Amino acid sequence: QVQLVQSGAEVKKPGASVKVSCQAFGYTFTSHAIHWVRQAPGQRLEWMGWINAGTGNTKYSQKFQGRVNITRDTSASTAYMELSSLRSEDTAVYYCARGGPRGLDPWGQGTLVTVSS
Amino acid sequence: DIQMTQSPSSLSASVGDRVTITCRASQGISNYLAWFQQTPGKAPKSLIYATSSLQSGVPSKFSGSGSGTDFTLTISSLQPEDFATYYCQQYNSYPYTFGQGTKLEIK
Repeated sequence: QVQLVQSGAEVKKPGASVKVSCQAFGYTFTSHAIHWVRQAPGQRLEWMGWINAGTGNTKYSQKFQGRVNITRDTSASTAYMELSSLRSEDTAVYYCARGGPRGLDPWGQGTLVTVSS
Repeated sequence: DIQMTQSPSSLSASVGDRVTITCRASQGISNYLAWFQQTPGKAPKSLIYATSSLQSGVPSKFSGSGSGTDFTLTISSLQPEDFATYYCQQYNSYPYTFGQGTKLEIK
């Protein structure tokens, strides 16, 4: 079945970068987009950006512009989200989700990124 | 950015009840509205897209309606597994934005 599997939890120091992966199974990777959404503790979901897995074109939320970079490796059916200049407020669970005509479905299991000195 | 506001923020109901959650957009979003269900420690699960279309495998007890700025999610015949937090999301324009969530609790 269609499934997105994300990489494991990360602990980073302020100022560092983190790169989270999202591997797709059960569908043609290049036929759909991959979106990234994060959720800080007790907060609402926050959309970060997306990549067209076929073309590699990206769109980012202005909030993260300049700090986020979404890429993909079609040979591995994997998308990546790299966030730089980390600060404590970036502590959150980061999710990838497949995008398409039916919206964001399914979602990956989430990756906890903790930013702490 | 389009602001999404859900009401209520929390709701107590009993097994078997029918409940309605409202989502209001700060400007018109046509029908580009989705609903998600999230239980503690789990990823969101898509229930509805395009305001009223059910995702595959989602039971028909879930229904959505609305257009423009005002939307609703209705859940009929509540079962224990339905007690969760529900989020609306607009995807009419960037950045996509979510409501603050409605926590549905057992009375």
